[in-house]
Amino acid sequence: AQSVTQLDSQVPVFEEAPVELRCNYSSSVSVYLFWYVQYPNQGLQLLLKYLSGSTLVKGINGFEAEFNKSQTSFHLRKPSVHISDTAEYFCAVSLIGTGGFKTIFGAGTRLFVKA
Amino acid sequence: KAGVTQTPRYLIKTRGQQVTLSCSPISGHRSVSWYQQTPGQGLQFLFEYFSETQRNKGNFPGRFSGRQFSNSRSEMNVSTLELGDSALYLCASSGGLAPGELFFGEGSRLTVL
Repeated sequence: AQSVTQLDSQVPVFEEAPVELRCNYSSSVSVYLFWYVQYPNQGLQLLLKYLSGSTLVKGINGFEAEFNKSQTSFHLRKPSVHISDTAEYFCAVSLIGTGGFKTIFGAGTRLFVKA
Repeated sequence: KAGVTQTPRYLIKTRGQQVTLSCSPISGHRSVSWYQQTPGQGLQFLFEYFSETQRNKGNFPGRFSGRQFSNSRSEMNVSTLELGDSALYLCASSGGLAPGELFFGEGSRLTVL
């Protein structure tokens, strides 16, 4: 069965410090990988995605993620965070099934940026 | 292009009542998925509709149902509401160029008293 594990439920970090949010997945088939961000009282919006090609993908707001197939990981990074990055971040995998795409989300990581 | 629109944004119901939530996907998107988000359980998949047919279903009781219309708009219904149904219900549409990419609405926050 497919699953997504976000290893940290909360990550506090000081402004302008680097951050890494970890995501591991398990799947016996090829998957597409995504990171979404959710600000308070809003829906989720796409940060970045890995479909194929270069394993380092860049997204919006200065975030990037690296796909590591051997470690089945897709960690999200930002070299210098801002207060406005405070939000919840979700890692997700999509795979093709008999009934179209199925998307599985991790439990989320709450990033809290302190001044 | 307009985004995914969910109505109503907030609603309060009492136990035993029923509720209907609406979702209008991005124009041209034929797939609509629904998720329940709670602090304890995170994002849980309810069901997905494609061209008016339910294509995937999560592990929710039969009190949760949905449908999709010919214009791809979707509704979900929860009957006999329970306190535990209090949650943010998110709708997402897909059909863009990237396979599996979801476009979310802002959600409908349901409070059951």
